[in-house]
Amino acid sequence: DGGITQSPKYLFRKEGQNVTLSCEQNLNHDAMYWYRQDPGQGLRLIYYSQIVNDFQKGDIAEGYSVSREKKESFPLTVTSAQKNPTAFYLCASRNQGQGYTGELFFGEGSRLTVL
Amino acid sequence: AQSVTQLGSHVSVSEGALVLLRCNYSSSVPPYLFWYVQYPNQGLQLLLKYTSAATLVKGINGFEAEFKKSETSFHLTKPSAHMSDAAEYFCAVQRSNYQLIWGAGTKLIIKP
Repeated sequence: DGGITQSPKYLFRKEGQNVTLSCEQNLNHDAMYWYRQDPGQGLRLIYYSQIVNDFQKGDIAEGYSVSREKKESFPLTVTSAQKNPTAFYLCASRNQGQGYTGELFFGEGSRLTVL
Repeated sequence: AQSVTQLGSHVSVSEGALVLLRCNYSSSVPPYLFWYVQYPNQGLQLLLKYTSAATLVKGINGFEAEFKKSETSFHLTKPSAHMSDAAEYFCAVQRSNYQLIWGAGTKLIIKP
C-alpha cells in the first residue's frame, strides 16, 4: 500500500542531543512537509521541500534542519538549539503540477520527549 | 495575514445528536478549504475539501461542510453523532503560496 512512514513513533532524548526523525513516502509525491503539533496550537510548518535537493524554511525552522537527497525521503533533525523540542512531529506529502489536488497525506507521527 | 479560526477547543454532543464544528477564515481570494480528522497519537486524515466546484461538500463518515463566502465560513456538520466520531478536527485554508494555514483544532467529545 502507498503511504508515508515515519519512524520512530516514540523517541526520548536527553537535553543537548541531536535527534533525527525519518520520513519516507512511496506515493511518488514531489512535495514533502514537516509540521510540529502542540496541544491547542494546531499544526505549525517547520520545513518543506518541493523538489529534490531543495527545501524552504517554514514558520518555525529555528533549531531544526532537513535534507532532501531522494524524492521519497525527507528526514528532520531536531538539534540541541531547539529550545523546546518536546512535541508531536508530523510528516506529510502531496502532489504538485498536473496531479495537484491540494490534499496533504500524513504519516502517523513521531512523538519526541526531551528528558 | 490569512488566518483560520475554529470556535471552541472542545465540543461535546450526545450520541445521535447533530455535530456542528465551526470554522471561519480570512482570505482575499477564493480558497481551497479542508477539514481533517485526527485520532489520538495518529496522523491527520482528510475528511473533505472545498475547491470551488460546489458550496456543499460531502466527505467521508457522513460529514459535510458548506462554504459560505459572505460569512467566510466553512462549518463541518454531521446529522447524527457516533461514538467513533470522537477525535480532533482541524480546518485549514490554502494560502496564495500554496501552503496551508491551520486552525487550532476542536476536540469532539461524544457522550453516550
